[in-house]
Amino acid sequence: QVQLVESGGGVVQPGRSLRLSCAASGFSFSTYGMHWVRQAPGKGLEWVAFIWYDGINKYHADSVKGRFTVSRDNSKNTLYLQLNSLGVEDTAVYYCARVSEFAAGMDVWGQGTTVSVSS
Amino acid sequence: SYELTQPPSVSVSPGQTASITCSGDDLGGKFASWYQQKAGQSPVLLIYKDVKRPSGIPERFSGSNSGNTATLTISGTQAMDEADYYCQAWDSSTVWAFGGGTKLTVL
Repeated sequence: QVQLVESGGGVVQPGRSLRLSCAASGFSFSTYGMHWVRQAPGKGLEWVAFIWYDGINKYHADSVKGRFTVSRDNSKNTLYLQLNSLGVEDTAVYYCARVSEFAAGMDVWGQGTTVSVSS
Repeated sequence: SYELTQPPSVSVSPGQTASITCSGDDLGGKFASWYQQKAGQSPVLLIYKDVKRPSGIPERFSGSNSGNTATLTISGTQAMDEADYYCQAWDSSTVWAFGGGTKLTVL
């Protein structure tokens, strides 16, 4: 079945780095755009980053621009998010989600992976 | 960045119609989507491109978008519809943005 599984979350000190992964299965990963969306504890959804199916077009939210980088490896059906210079404000559950076109909704979501930034 | 405003909470009686609004500058000129998130679960897409419903989403969920406001309407609200609801918008200049979320209580 169509599935997205995130991994790589954990507890990290401020200023450190982390790489999140999102493994896709059950669909043609290389033909879909992919998003990262995060949700801080008790808060709403925040869009983080998007990468188009070919890995060329990428967009990042202003709040993470210059610190986070989205990438993908279509040969491994895997999406990545590199998180650098982490701050306490980055503490959240990070979800990956797929989309068939820019304007379409995010129709499949993973279960999320938790990132906790604490000294 | 583009801001979308939702009411923090909406209450509805079982069987009645619930309307959740989402406001943003010229939102009607962009594409809106709606998501449902139940406690401890990942979001689920309810509506995309303003009015389209993915397969498997009940017909009681519908959407509209005009002017500065998009609206999610839930007809014949059921207890299982109690959840947080988020609007989301996209256009080529906005990139992607979520509203702050609305907690729907079915009394």
